[in-house]
Amino acid sequence: AQRVTQPEKLLSVFKGAPVELKCNYSYSGSPELFWYVQYSRQRLQLLLRHISRESIKGFTADLNKGETSFHLKKPFAQEEDSAMYYCALSGRGYQKVTFGTGTKLQVIP
Amino acid sequence: DTGVSQDPRHKITKRGQNVTFRCDPISEHNRLYWYRQTLGQGPEFLTYFQNEAQLEKSRLLSDRFSAERPKGSFSTLEIQRTEQGDSAMYLCASSPTASGNEQFFGPGTRLTVL
Repeated sequence: AQRVTQPEKLLSVFKGAPVELKCNYSYSGSPELFWYVQYSRQRLQLLLRHISRESIKGFTADLNKGETSFHLKKPFAQEEDSAMYYCALSGRGYQKVTFGTGTKLQVIP
Repeated sequence: DTGVSQDPRHKITKRGQNVTFRCDPISEHNRLYWYRQTLGQGPEFLTYFQNEAQLEKSRLLSDRFSAERPKGSFSTLEIQRTEQGDSAMYLCASSPTASGNEQFFGPGTRLTVL
């Protein structure tokens, strides 16, 4: 079975502070990990995926297979980062995607 | 084509009624997914189509739920004999084969069962 755990429902940080959104997963094979974001009144959209190894909007995420984690990080939070963030997992070449329960990031001006 | 579209955006119905939702994916995308999202939860996978073939169904998809994609383009999700527990946001997503598992989501249909 595949499972994604996001332990924080809400994370509040001040503008300019570092951000770390936690994600842990359970999967027996080779996972593909994603972060999706939903801004207020907008649809869910892909932020980044681990195989791309990109930095999107200043966010990065590293897959740690030993700790089965895929935490999302940004060194300096901006007000426009306030949104709902979902960690998601699928198997390689397998289409079912399992989402976590989401973390609401609130950046305080 | 500005993205995945869903119709209607909101649906209020009485318990026991049937409802049908429509999803139009991005035109060149051959994969289509349905999810259900309730308050405080992430999207939960319901079913997945590759072209017109329904390749996987979740255990969440009881026999009151049926999904079709008859011509490999738009899809419909029907819920028969709705129950209050069916109240949720129903999300559709699509992806092209070459994108791996990156999915493009629609705005969702919010169902309220009274």
